[in-house]
Amino acid sequence: NAGVTQTPKFQVLKTGQSMTLQCAQDMNHNSMYWYRQDPGMGLRLIYYSASEGTTDKGEVPNGYNVSRLNKREFSLRLESAAPSQTSVYFCASGRTSGSYSDTQYFGPGTRLTVL
Amino acid sequence: QKEVEQNSGPLSVPEGAIASLNCTYSDRGSQSFFWYRQYSGKSPELIMFIYSNGDKEDGRFTAQLNKASQYVSLLIRDSQPSDSATYLCAVLNDYKLSFGAGTTVTVRA
Repeated sequence: NAGVTQTPKFQVLKTGQSMTLQCAQDMNHNSMYWYRQDPGMGLRLIYYSASEGTTDKGEVPNGYNVSRLNKREFSLRLESAAPSQTSVYFCASGRTSGSYSDTQYFGPGTRLTVL
Repeated sequence: QKEVEQNSGPLSVPEGAIASLNCTYSDRGSQSFFWYRQYSGKSPELIMFIYSNGDKEDGRFTAQLNKASQYVSLLIRDSQPSDSATYLCAVLNDYKLSFGAGTTVTVRA
């Protein structure tokens, strides 16, 4: 099993450009998540999808859109990139059976720089 | 007030010593508590989780939870240089994790 995969690993954009970050999981998990990580601020939730066909905003959704393409894939789109979106982006997936032991597993991350 | 607070660190401990990491949370309804380890430039990886008051041990790691005090901690016994990393505390509510900013631990050989 590959677990959670993300593409690309690195990306440099100019202000105003758009791009889509791709994420896929092969663990048959129901939930998928997008986080950003900035120095000194920990991981902040951008959007999540509790199940196929649903998406919800997290803590910092402005400037982003998401698509839950199917159970395996969850993409994050920046329509008009801004320097404030320079960050490391992590995708995660989780079983979400309602058990207290539900755990999230993270992909390798995408390092995005917006000039 | 942030939802999840961790001692800011960095924390430097000698090899073989115990590293103690602390985390407090604001939501009394929080269900489960997770500790992740993150090496520099890598993604977070789960160390362990706890959801009942008391201690939970897994190898050299012990998680402690006190829901009345809204406090969770992680002890690393017999610290090794390979334990040098940032440790993230996370709290689960309604399928969503809220993370602390992390505590960076350096184990001195």
